[in-house]
Amino acid sequence: QVQLVQSGPEVKKPGASVKISCKTSGYTFSNFYIHWVRQAPGRGLEWLGAITPKGATTTYAQTLQGRLTITTDTSTSTVYMDLSSLTSDDTAVYYCARESAPFDFWGQGTLVIVSS
Amino acid sequence: EILLTQSPATLSVSAGERATLSCRASQSLSHSLAWYQQKPGQAPRLLIYDASTRATGVPVRFSGSGSGTEFTLTISSLQSEDFAVYFCQQYKIWPPNTFGQGTKLQIK
Repeated sequence: QVQLVQSGPEVKKPGASVKISCKTSGYTFSNFYIHWVRQAPGRGLEWLGAITPKGATTTYAQTLQGRLTITTDTSTSTVYMDLSSLTSDDTAVYYCARESAPFDFWGQGTLVIVSS
Repeated sequence: EILLTQSPATLSVSAGERATLSCRASQSLSHSLAWYQQKPGQAPRLLIYDASTRATGVPVRFSGSGSGTEFTLTISSLQSEDFAVYFCQQYKIWPPNTFGQGTKLQIK
């Protein structure tokens, strides 16, 4: 069965970076985009970016350009999201999701807390 | 960027009754709209895609309709497990993929 399993919660200080993993299984990794979405406490869903595993082409939300990097490791079918220069506004649950017009499978979410 | 506006923000309905949720887009999506259900502490769950197609395993009491800029999610007879937050999402034109702000469906 399709699964997306994310890494555990993180606590970071302002200015630091965080890297979250999303390990996929149960399907052909190279056939589907993976997207990242976040949700601040009590708020809605914000799309962050996406990657095509086959071609490793990335697309990012304009608001995060320059701070967000999405990469893949095809040998382990894992996607990574690296967010730098963290501020308290980046405190949120981060989700990876598989795109099959639209997002049919999601990871369980990773809580990132940015606090001094 | 395509903006999605959901209404109402909160909807109070009794179990067994019908709930109707709306999503309006700032430009035409044709049928490229999805609905998700999210319960506390859980990831969103895909309910409806292409405006009216139920995802695998979704009960028939959930139905979607609409096209262009006006969309509706209807839950025909609310069960206790249906009380949650519902989001719409457009995938007609991205980046960015955009979501509505959500409708909280609560027990009356």
